[in-house]
Amino acid sequence: GENVEQHPSTLSVQEGDSAVIKCTYSDSASNYFPWYKQELGKRPQLIIDIRSNVGEKKDQRIAVTLNKTAKHFSLHITETQPEDSAVYFCAASKPGTYKYIFGTGTRLKVLA
Amino acid sequence: ETGVTQTPRHLVMGMTNKKSLKCEQHLGHNAMYWYKQSAKKPLELMFVYSLEERVENNSVPSRFSPECPNSSHLFLHLHTLQPEDSALYLCASSLGGRTDTQYFGPGTRLTVL
Repeated sequence: GENVEQHPSTLSVQEGDSAVIKCTYSDSASNYFPWYKQELGKRPQLIIDIRSNVGEKKDQRIAVTLNKTAKHFSLHITETQPEDSAVYFCAASKPGTYKYIFGTGTRLKVLA
Repeated sequence: ETGVTQTPRHLVMGMTNKKSLKCEQHLGHNAMYWYKQSAKKPLELMFVYSLEERVENNSVPSRFSPECPNSSHLFLHLHTLQPEDSALYLCASSLGGRTDTQYFGPGTRLTVL
């Protein structure tokens, strides 16, 4: 069935370093890939997304890259700060369905 | 609070109780969703409504019953739940559904005793 694998499940980085989270999807028809950040006790919030007609998108310290051939996409956070500490979820969606297939999440800890 | 709101934020119920979760969106969206979030598992889509019509139902037990009276409100009626139903229940909405961005509410933390 459709699935999205997300790695790593936990990630600790020093403040100022970069963090990379990778997701691999199974359905080649997927064309929309959002990333959500969920702080402890709070709602998931969209931080960046990408559609399959582009290979990279950047928003300040956050970027997402997409490799359609390999069916994987990655979240890159540069110059990490303690407030970046949260659980990050990737998801994939395809035309004709309302369903997002979510990854299992990555707990990012930024150490001061 | 703007965006997507949910009430109650916390709920403790016994297995024989009947309760309802409420979601309201103030974004003018046409699609609304219920998700279940359990520890160390991906978010599980439960139900999707588009323009008050249920468009997805992902093999959810009948002890969960959704209701969408209009495009701004979504309910999840609960009855005879099991302890394994304890989880965070998240509501979301999107403008037109499908690959539109989904915006989440704060969730209801449900504990079934």
